[in-house]
Amino acid sequence: GQNIDQPTEMTATEGAIVQINCTYQTSGFNGLFWYQQHAGEAPTFLSYNVLDGLEEKGRFSSFLSRSKGYSYLLLKELQMKDSASYLCAVRDQGGANNLFFGTGTRLTVIP
Amino acid sequence: GAVVSQHPSRVICKSGTSVKIECRSLDFQATTMFWYRQFPKKSLMLMATSNEGSKATYEQGVEKDKFLINHASLTLSTLTVTSAHPEDSSFYICSARFGPGWGGANVLTFGAGSRLTVL
Repeated sequence: GQNIDQPTEMTATEGAIVQINCTYQTSGFNGLFWYQQHAGEAPTFLSYNVLDGLEEKGRFSSFLSRSKGYSYLLLKELQMKDSASYLCAVRDQGGANNLFFGTGTRLTVIP
Repeated sequence: GAVVSQHPSRVICKSGTSVKIECRSLDFQATTMFWYRQFPKKSLMLMATSNEGSKATYEQGVEKDKFLINHASLTLSTLTVTSAHPEDSSFYICSARFGPGWGGANVLTFGAGSRLTVL
């Protein structure tokens, strides 16, 4: 089976840095994705990691450790519009390379 | 960039009726589309993988006779919730992979979702 864990909720201050953790235990692994989802909207792609290390993309960075089954999403210089749910998803090694999602972390950015 | 259009965005129906949700890939062909279901404050749950020109592959526990999937063309997949009941009320989201092959950073592009409410 697939087990992907994230904190349910987090709160951070505008301008600050926040780290959202994700741990996973899956039967296969072929990459880890982070998506952002605003309420009632489609998830949008943020980042992708398949090798260990840090991937940086503007204010957002994502880290992966395959041996530990661990990833984090780092958001810098937080803005109010960053308030959203952040979904960690693992792609398995099945034929269709399905994505399995964690429950998502609801981030609230406060002034 | 790749866009997936999903329609309708909201639908309210009576118990016992059927509802069809469309998912279209705009400006790209999608041989495979995925249908997810999301309960409030819960994760996206993969329901089925829709394959163009062949039968859909359903995840364990998803009733294929209840959730009919048709992928008749390279740009359109439909999900029909048959004989809907209140417990089928949920947020349904489709997605398609944009990019060649299965691996790499070929990401899923999601539709905006369809909120179904069954009275």
